[in-house]
Amino acid sequence: SQQGEEDPQALSIQEGENATMNCSYKTSINNLQWYRQNSGRGLVHLILIRSNEREKHSGRLRVTLDTSKKSSSLLITASRAADTASYFCATDVHSFSSGSARQLTFGSGTQLTVLP
Amino acid sequence: NAGVTQTPKFRVLKTGQSMTLLCAQDMNHEYMYWYRQDPGMGLRLIHYSVGEGTTAKGEVPDGYNVSRLKKQNFLLGLESAAPSQTSVYFCASSYGMTYEQFFGPGTRLTVL
Repeated sequence: SQQGEEDPQALSIQEGENATMNCSYKTSINNLQWYRQNSGRGLVHLILIRSNEREKHSGRLRVTLDTSKKSSSLLITASRAADTASYFCATDVHSFSSGSARQLTFGSGTQLTVLP
Repeated sequence: NAGVTQTPKFRVLKTGQSMTLLCAQDMNHEYMYWYRQDPGMGLRLIHYSVGEGTTAKGEVPDGYNVSRLKKQNFLLGLESAAPSQTSVYFCASSYGMTYEQFFGPGTRLTVL
Protein backbone atom coordinates (compact mmCIF):
# COMPACT_ATOMS: atom_id res chain seq x y z
CA SER A 1 0.00 0.00 0.00
CA GLN A 2 1.02 3.61 -0.43
CA GLN A 3 2.96 5.66 2.07
CA GLY A 4 0.18 8.18 2.50
CA GLU A 5 -3.43 7.04 2.54
CA GLU A 6 -6.35 9.40 2.92
CA ASP A 7 -9.56 8.60 4.75
CA PRO A 8 -12.39 8.73 3.87
CA GLN A 9 -12.16 8.11 0.14
CA ALA A 10 -15.25 10.27 -0.38
CA LEU A 11 -17.02 12.85 1.77
CA SER A 12 -20.23 14.73 1.09
CA ILE A 13 -21.34 17.63 3.30
CA GLN A 14 -23.62 20.67 3.24
CA GLU A 15 -22.32 24.14 2.64
CA GLY A 16 -21.32 25.77 5.92
CA GLU A 17 -20.36 22.51 7.61
CA ASN A 18 -16.81 21.54 8.49
CA ALA A 19 -14.95 18.86 6.54
CA THR A 20 -12.25 16.68 8.05
CA MET A 21 -9.93 14.44 6.08
CA ASN A 22 -7.26 12.19 7.49
CA CYS A 23 -3.93 10.92 6.19
CA SER A 24 -1.93 8.04 7.59
CA TYR A 25 1.61 7.16 6.65
CA LYS A 26 4.11 4.44 7.43
CA THR A 27 7.66 5.75 7.63
CA SER A 28 9.26 8.76 9.26
CA ILE A 29 8.87 12.06 7.46
CA ASN A 30 10.44 15.50 7.40
CA ASN A 31 7.26 17.18 6.28
CA LEU A 32 3.73 16.49 5.11
CA GLN A 33 1.88 18.51 2.52
CA TRP A 34 -1.75 18.82 1.48
CA TYR A 35 -2.83 19.55 -2.09
CA ARG A 36 -6.20 20.22 -3.74
CA GLN A 37 -7.20 19.12 -7.23
CA ASN A 38 -10.28 20.49 -8.92
CA SER A 39 -11.82 18.26 -11.55
CA GLY A 40 -9.73 18.19 -14.71
CA ARG A 41 -7.03 20.47 -13.28
CA GLY A 42 -3.56 20.18 -11.81
CA LEU A 43 -2.80 19.97 -8.10
CA VAL A 44 -2.55 23.13 -6.04
CA HIS A 45 -0.46 23.27 -2.86
CA LEU A 46 -2.45 24.13 0.25
CA ILE A 47 -0.18 23.81 3.25
CA LEU A 48 3.05 22.22 4.45
CA ILE A 49 3.60 21.08 8.04
CA ARG A 50 7.01 20.03 9.30
CA SER A 51 7.62 17.04 11.52
CA ASN A 52 8.39 19.28 14.52
CA GLU A 53 5.07 21.13 14.16
CA ARG A 54 1.78 19.91 15.59
CA GLU A 55 -0.70 22.32 14.08
CA LYS A 56 -0.80 24.88 11.33
CA HIS A 57 -3.48 27.27 10.06
CA SER A 58 -4.06 28.95 6.72
CA GLY A 59 -7.32 30.82 6.33
CA ARG A 60 -10.14 28.27 6.74
CA LEU A 61 -7.67 25.39 6.73
CA ARG A 62 -6.29 23.74 9.84
CA VAL A 63 -3.77 20.92 9.62
CA THR A 64 -2.60 18.77 12.50
CA LEU A 65 0.24 16.30 12.60
CA ASP A 66 0.73 13.49 15.10
CA THR A 67 4.07 11.84 14.40
CA SER A 68 3.56 9.26 17.16
CA LYS A 69 0.46 7.99 15.35
CA LYS A 70 1.90 8.74 11.90
CA SER A 71 -1.21 10.64 10.94
CA SER A 72 -2.37 14.07 9.84
CA SER A 73 -5.75 15.69 9.46
CA LEU A 74 -6.99 18.51 7.27
CA LEU A 75 -9.96 20.51 8.54
CA ILE A 76 -11.82 22.89 6.26
CA THR A 77 -14.13 25.12 8.26
CA ALA A 78 -17.34 26.72 6.98
CA SER A 79 -17.10 24.84 3.69
CA ARG A 80 -18.27 26.34 0.41
CA ALA A 81 -19.39 24.77 -2.86
CA ALA A 82 -16.08 25.97 -4.35
CA ASP A 83 -14.23 23.65 -1.94
CA THR A 84 -15.55 20.68 -3.92
CA ALA A 85 -12.37 18.92 -5.08
CA SER A 86 -10.05 16.02 -4.38
CA TYR A 87 -7.60 16.49 -1.53
CA PHE A 88 -4.27 14.68 -1.40
CA CYS A 89 -1.65 14.36 1.28
CA ALA A 90 1.97 14.01 0.24
CA THR A 91 4.80 12.79 2.42
CA ASP A 92 8.52 12.98 1.82
CA VAL A 93 10.09 9.55 1.99
CA HIS A 94 13.35 7.91 1.14
CA SER A 95 13.00 6.21 -2.20
CA PHE A 96 15.41 3.60 -3.48
CA SER A 97 14.21 4.33 -7.02
CA SER A 98 15.59 7.86 -6.61
CA GLY A 99 18.92 6.77 -5.18
CA SER A 100 17.65 6.99 -1.61
CA ALA A 101 16.95 10.70 -2.02
CA ARG A 102 13.76 11.87 -0.41
CA GLN A 103 10.83 12.43 -2.73
CA LEU A 104 7.18 13.30 -2.32
CA THR A 105 4.75 10.40 -2.37
CA PHE A 106 1.05 11.16 -2.89
CA GLY A 107 -1.92 9.30 -1.46
CA SER A 108 -4.96 8.37 -3.52
CA GLY A 109 -7.02 11.30 -2.22
CA THR A 110 -10.33 12.19 -0.62
CA GLN A 111 -13.10 13.38 -2.92
CA LEU A 112 -14.96 16.16 -1.13
CA THR A 113 -18.36 17.28 -2.36
CA VAL A 114 -19.91 20.36 -0.78
CA LEU A 115 -23.61 20.64 -1.52
CA PRO A 116 -25.15 24.11 -1.82
CA ASN B 1 4.04 34.56 -14.78
CA ALA B 2 2.56 31.59 -16.58
CA GLY B 3 3.81 29.14 -13.94
CA VAL B 4 3.96 25.59 -15.33
CA THR B 5 2.55 24.97 -18.79
CA GLN B 6 2.09 21.68 -20.64
CA THR B 7 1.71 20.92 -24.33
CA PRO B 8 -0.51 19.35 -25.65
CA LYS B 9 -3.63 19.24 -23.46
CA PHE B 10 -5.09 16.17 -25.16
CA ARG B 11 -3.68 13.50 -27.43
CA VAL B 12 -4.86 10.21 -28.88
CA LEU B 13 -2.26 7.73 -30.09
CA LYS B 14 -2.37 4.31 -31.66
CA THR B 15 -0.37 1.50 -30.10
CA GLY B 16 3.25 1.72 -31.19
CA GLN B 17 3.22 5.41 -32.05
CA SER B 18 5.59 7.84 -30.39
CA MET B 19 5.11 11.31 -28.97
CA THR B 20 6.73 13.95 -26.79
CA LEU B 21 5.07 15.94 -24.05
CA LEU B 22 6.53 19.35 -23.33
CA CYS B 23 6.63 21.03 -19.94
CA ALA B 24 7.82 24.59 -19.40
CA GLN B 25 8.21 26.63 -16.19
CA ASP B 26 9.12 30.26 -15.70
CA MET B 27 9.87 30.20 -11.97
CA ASN B 28 13.58 29.36 -12.30
CA HIS B 29 13.06 26.09 -10.41
CA GLU B 30 15.88 23.58 -10.40
CA TYR B 31 13.64 20.54 -9.86
CA MET B 32 11.10 19.27 -12.37
CA TYR B 33 8.94 16.15 -12.34
CA TRP B 34 6.68 14.06 -14.52
CA TYR B 35 3.81 12.19 -12.86
CA ARG B 36 0.99 10.05 -14.15
CA GLN B 37 -2.44 9.90 -12.54
CA ASP B 38 -4.79 6.99 -13.10
CA PRO B 39 -8.45 6.87 -11.99
CA GLY B 40 -8.87 6.58 -8.24
CA MET B 41 -5.15 6.79 -7.64
CA GLY B 42 -2.72 9.38 -6.52
CA LEU B 43 0.18 10.60 -8.56
CA ARG B 44 3.04 8.29 -9.40
CA LEU B 45 6.44 9.72 -10.22
CA ILE B 46 7.77 8.71 -13.64
CA HIS B 47 11.03 10.66 -13.93
CA TYR B 48 12.46 13.78 -12.40
CA SER B 49 15.33 16.21 -12.87
CA VAL B 50 17.39 18.07 -10.28
CA GLY B 51 18.85 20.50 -12.77
CA GLU B 52 19.66 21.25 -16.38
CA GLY B 53 21.21 18.25 -18.09
CA THR B 54 20.26 15.77 -15.36
CA THR B 55 17.45 13.21 -15.16
CA ALA B 56 16.60 10.34 -12.83
CA LYS B 57 14.09 7.52 -12.62
CA GLY B 58 11.08 7.68 -10.38
CA GLU B 59 8.64 5.00 -9.31
CA VAL B 60 7.28 4.00 -12.76
CA PRO B 61 9.89 4.87 -15.43
CA ASP B 62 9.48 1.94 -17.83
CA GLY B 63 8.36 2.92 -21.32
CA TYR B 64 9.26 6.59 -20.87
CA ASN B 65 12.30 8.74 -21.52
CA VAL B 66 13.00 12.32 -20.52
CA SER B 67 15.35 15.15 -21.34
CA ARG B 68 16.20 18.45 -19.68
CA LEU B 69 18.32 20.36 -22.17
CA LYS B 70 17.23 23.75 -20.83
CA LYS B 71 16.48 24.62 -17.22
CA GLN B 72 12.96 25.78 -18.01
CA ASN B 73 11.92 22.78 -20.11
CA PHE B 74 11.37 19.11 -19.27
CA LEU B 75 10.33 16.72 -22.03
CA LEU B 76 8.64 13.35 -21.59
CA GLY B 77 8.84 10.90 -24.47
CA LEU B 78 6.96 7.74 -25.27
CA GLU B 79 8.89 5.77 -27.91
CA SER B 80 6.27 3.05 -28.52
CA ALA B 81 2.96 3.83 -26.85
CA ALA B 82 0.97 1.06 -25.18
CA PRO B 83 -2.66 1.08 -23.93
CA SER B 84 -1.31 0.82 -20.36
CA GLN B 85 0.09 4.34 -20.83
CA THR B 86 -3.39 5.80 -21.15
CA SER B 87 -3.41 8.29 -18.31
CA VAL B 88 -3.31 11.93 -17.33
CA TYR B 89 0.24 13.25 -17.18
CA PHE B 90 1.24 16.10 -14.91
CA CYS B 91 4.42 18.09 -14.89
CA ALA B 92 5.55 19.90 -11.75
CA SER B 93 8.46 22.01 -10.59
CA SER B 94 9.90 23.08 -7.25
CA TYR B 95 12.90 24.64 -5.54
CA GLY B 96 13.80 21.35 -3.89
CA MET B 97 12.78 17.72 -3.83
CA THR B 98 10.43 17.97 -0.85
CA TYR B 99 9.41 21.61 -1.18
CA GLU B 100 6.03 22.82 -2.40
CA GLN B 101 5.48 21.64 -5.97
CA PHE B 102 3.79 23.70 -8.67
CA PHE B 103 1.76 21.70 -11.16
CA GLY B 104 0.81 22.15 -14.77
CA PRO B 105 -2.77 21.64 -16.01
CA GLY B 106 -2.11 18.10 -17.27
CA THR B 107 -2.13 16.22 -20.56
CA ARG B 108 -4.82 13.61 -21.13
CA LEU B 109 -3.35 10.82 -23.25
CA THR B 110 -5.34 7.95 -24.72
CA VAL B 111 -3.58 5.05 -26.40
CA LEU B 112 -5.82 2.88 -28.57
